[in-house]
Amino acid sequence: AQTVTQSQPEMSVQEAETVTLSCTYDTSESDYYLFWYKQPPSRQMILVIRQEAYKQQNATENRFSVNFQKAAKSFSLKISDSQLGDAAMYFCAYRLPGGATNKLIFGTGTLLAVQP
Amino acid sequence: DTGVSQNPRHKITKRGQNVTFRCDPISEHNRLYWYRQTLGQGPEFLTYFQNEAQLEKSRLLSDRFSAERPKGSFSTLEIQRTEQGDSAMYLCASSTDRPGTEAFFGQGTRLTVV
Repeated sequence: AQTVTQSQPEMSVQEAETVTLSCTYDTSESDYYLFWYKQPPSRQMILVIRQEAYKQQNATENRFSVNFQKAAKSFSLKISDSQLGDAAMYFCAYRLPGGATNKLIFGTGTLLAVQP
Repeated sequence: DTGVSQNPRHKITKRGQNVTFRCDPISEHNRLYWYRQTLGQGPEFLTYFQNEAQLEKSRLLSDRFSAERPKGSFSTLEIQRTEQGDSAMYLCASSTDRPGTEAFFGQGTRLTVV
């Protein structure tokens, strides 16, 4: 069975600094998707960034980038130039491509605090 | 379109009562998912619909839980004979069936069973 592990329950970063959130996963599949979702307090979860396993190039979305290491089954999120609005719970998630299921498997999350 | 809408936002019920939650997905999305999130945990998959067909159910979905999506649009999740262990945030998400598409989440319904 696929599992997702986030070993950092809480992280803190100074405004304008860079922080990296860790995620590892376990799967026997070769093709899959990985996601980082952000869940601000009392607000809905939104997608931050996605990575397709067959793509070697690391995904980037503005200040957010990933370090995808397929052999190591590692998928870390780097937030550059941290802003106060980045404070939230961040979840790493895994999904198989297409087929009859489209469910996401989530890690336990990392609570990010941004200090002014 | 204002995104995925869930009602009610909060529900407090007494143990043993039945509760029903509603989810209105993004209109062009044919896939709809229910997840449960307890404090300090990530969301856990409960069930998934493609149009009106319920295609997958988690072992977490005991026989006290039932979900429907009668016309392939909105969905309801009913919990019968609620237990204190049912207290959680219930999240709904929707997506298209295009490969790699993201799921859009609602704000959730927080259930407290007293």
